[in-house]
Amino acid sequence: SQTIHQWPATLVQPVGSPLSLECTVEGTSNPNLYWYRQAAGRGLQLLFYSIGIDQISSEVPQNLSASRPQDRQFILSSKKLLLSDSGFYLCAWSVGTGRYEQYFGPGTRLTVT
Amino acid sequence: KNQVEQSPQSLIILEGKNCTLQCNYTVSPFSNLRWYKQDTGRGPVSLTIMTFSENTKSNGRYTATLDADTKQSSLHITASQLSDSASYICVVSSGGGYNKLIFGAGTRLAVHP
Repeated sequence: SQTIHQWPATLVQPVGSPLSLECTVEGTSNPNLYWYRQAAGRGLQLLFYSIGIDQISSEVPQNLSASRPQDRQFILSSKKLLLSDSGFYLCAWSVGTGRYEQYFGPGTRLTVT
Repeated sequence: KNQVEQSPQSLIILEGKNCTLQCNYTVSPFSNLRWYKQDTGRGPVSLTIMTFSENTKSNGRYTATLDADTKQSSLHITASQLSDSASYICVVSSGGGYNKLIFGAGTRLAVHP
C-alpha cells in the first residue's frame, strides 16, 4: 500500500533562517507531487506541483522553492524565512489527473519567530 | 475568480444528532467536487468525490449532494459521533493537466456528548 511521510512534524525557526521540509512517498511510481500551505482559517493554497523529476511548477510567487531530486521525494526550501511563512505545510500525491484522488501527508507545523 | 465558500464557519452539535454543511462554488471549468475530513493537526482525508453527472454519493454516515446547476453541494452527517469532530473541507477540481484543486476554508464541527 502507498504511504506518504513528512518531516519534521513541527518546526520553530527564527526569521531569516533557512528551511528544508521533506516529503517522501512509498508504494507508487511516478506520482504527481504537491506542496500546500494552510493558514489559520484559510483554505489550502497550492504552492508547487511536480509531474516528474526536476519538473516543478510554482503556483504563487513567494519566498519558497521546491525540488524533486528523486521520483518519490519532494523538498520544500527557503533561504531566508519570513514571519509570513508560518503555517501548516502539507505534501500530497496523486497518480494521474482528473478525478484521481490526492492523498495528503500528516503535515508540518512551521512557526517562524 | 475561482472560489469555494463554505457555511457555517463552525458548528456545535450533540452526539447522535444530524447536521448538514454547505458549499457554494464558482469554479470554471468544473471537473469534480470532493469533501475532505481534516482532524486537527493532520492532513485531509477524502470522504467523497462527485463528477458533474452525480447528484449524491454516500460514505457510511456521510452523504454528499451536488447540484451542478446552482453550483451547490452539501455534506450531511447522520447520527453524529464524537469522532466526527473535525474540519470538513469542500474542494472543487477545475481539471487541467495536474488536477488543480480549489479549497474552501472548511467548516469546523464539534460534536459534544
